[in-house]
Amino acid sequence: TQLLEQSPQFLSIQEGENLTVYCNSSSVFSSLQWYRQEPGEGPVLLVTVVTGGEVKKLKRLTFQFGDARKDSSLHITAAQPGDTGLYLCAGERGNKLVFGAGTILRVKS
Amino acid sequence: DAMVIQNPRYQVTQFGKPVTLSCSQTLNHNVMYWYQQKSSQAPKLLFHYYDKDFNNEADTPDNFQSRRPNTSFCFLDIRSPGLGDAAMYLCATSRVVGGTDTQYFGPGTRLTVL
Repeated sequence: TQLLEQSPQFLSIQEGENLTVYCNSSSVFSSLQWYRQEPGEGPVLLVTVVTGGEVKKLKRLTFQFGDARKDSSLHITAAQPGDTGLYLCAGERGNKLVFGAGTILRVKS
Repeated sequence: DAMVIQNPRYQVTQFGKPVTLSCSQTLNHNVMYWYQQKSSQAPKLLFHYYDKDFNNEADTPDNFQSRRPNTSFCFLDIRSPGLGDAAMYLCATSRVVGGTDTQYFGPGTRLTVL
């Protein structure tokens, strides 16, 4: 059983569409991070959220940390083919990161 | 550019034949991590070094060992690889231990066990 559940597992959309991916847990995290991993590469940090209810924006990406700090969402506006990749959430637990299994996003042109 | 380098990018070994994966960093970070990532699964922390202090995860098999001869280098040794050890192995670094501190990942080594 994954401590962090990500949904959907796979998402294939057309360029220009909007999408939201979710990261859920029954546990509280002191912080949560989102990474993007491209094929054959290591994960790259996109954002860290720390405060319950916090919203952070990174260009067309909007990240939200749930009020109870148990869940998070990533919303992408007007997706582009360059957004294609594996999106991983990771929660801080005892000074370590626990990763979800990720959402594979494919944006078709 | 400061970075995390992993060699080789692809490694093929035979069942039971020891293999060593290499990670080096130019970030001068105190902490180095090794993760195992299997297809469609979350990266799983195997162990980490804080300077020379080795910290093994409770569920990391004894088959996996690590060495950190200096700040820049860290090695993952798999003493007797099994078919189930085929995976992407990711090295990461951070300044300090702590989830809020950014971890910088290398590109990974994909291990195939025949």
